[in-house]
Amino acid sequence: DGGITQSPKYLFRKEGQNVTLSCEQNLNHDAMYWYRQDPGQGLRLIYYSQIVNDFQKGDIAEGYSVSREKKESFPLTVTSAQKNPTAFYLCASRATTGGITEAFFGQGTRLTVV
Amino acid sequence: RKEVEQDPGPFNVPEGATVAFNCTYSNSASQSFFWYRQDCRKEPKLLMSVYSSGNEDGRFTAQLNRASQYISLLIRDSKLSDSATYLCVVNWGGTASKLTFGTGTRLQVTL
Repeated sequence: DGGITQSPKYLFRKEGQNVTLSCEQNLNHDAMYWYRQDPGQGLRLIYYSQIVNDFQKGDIAEGYSVSREKKESFPLTVTSAQKNPTAFYLCASRATTGGITEAFFGQGTRLTVV
Repeated sequence: RKEVEQDPGPFNVPEGATVAFNCTYSNSASQSFFWYRQDCRKEPKLLMSVYSSGNEDGRFTAQLNRASQYISLLIRDSKLSDSATYLCVVNWGGTASKLTFGTGTRLQVTL
């Protein structure tokens, strides 16, 4: 079945550590996105990528980094520079051809700093 | 002004009621519009795309008003299972650009 997979589902991080969240899709989508959601809040865009080897900062990119070496994969690294990383992280992908196209989401990763 | 704005609610309605949500957007060049549904602690899922002429899917109707820069979602005959947060999503700059989400409107349908 085609879809988008995030792992792990839950992640605990010590202060000062970098952690990497995985996002893989087999939908053959060119565009991929990372969002952060805090309790009771909407989704805020961290980074997005329209094509392999290219990505752009979103609204809250500070303290995060990404790579897009393969079409299927868009990992997000939460660095120690991110001061308040505890949140629900959502990855999405989207086709960029064929008219109006919706985004599909992974099931999310809940990151907690301990 | 936020790029996409929604009334956070909550909207508390009895089963069988009709309820409507609005969402305003600031960029007049916006091209694509969507309504997503998000259940508690889950990922958002597409409810429906919003077309210029308006569109309907069963009990759900979506409308776009470009002149006033808002989209709306109407839910008729509300069910308990409709209880969720409804997110308005706007895209501008073509299919390859970023999607901007509103903060969501929470709906609680009661007996």
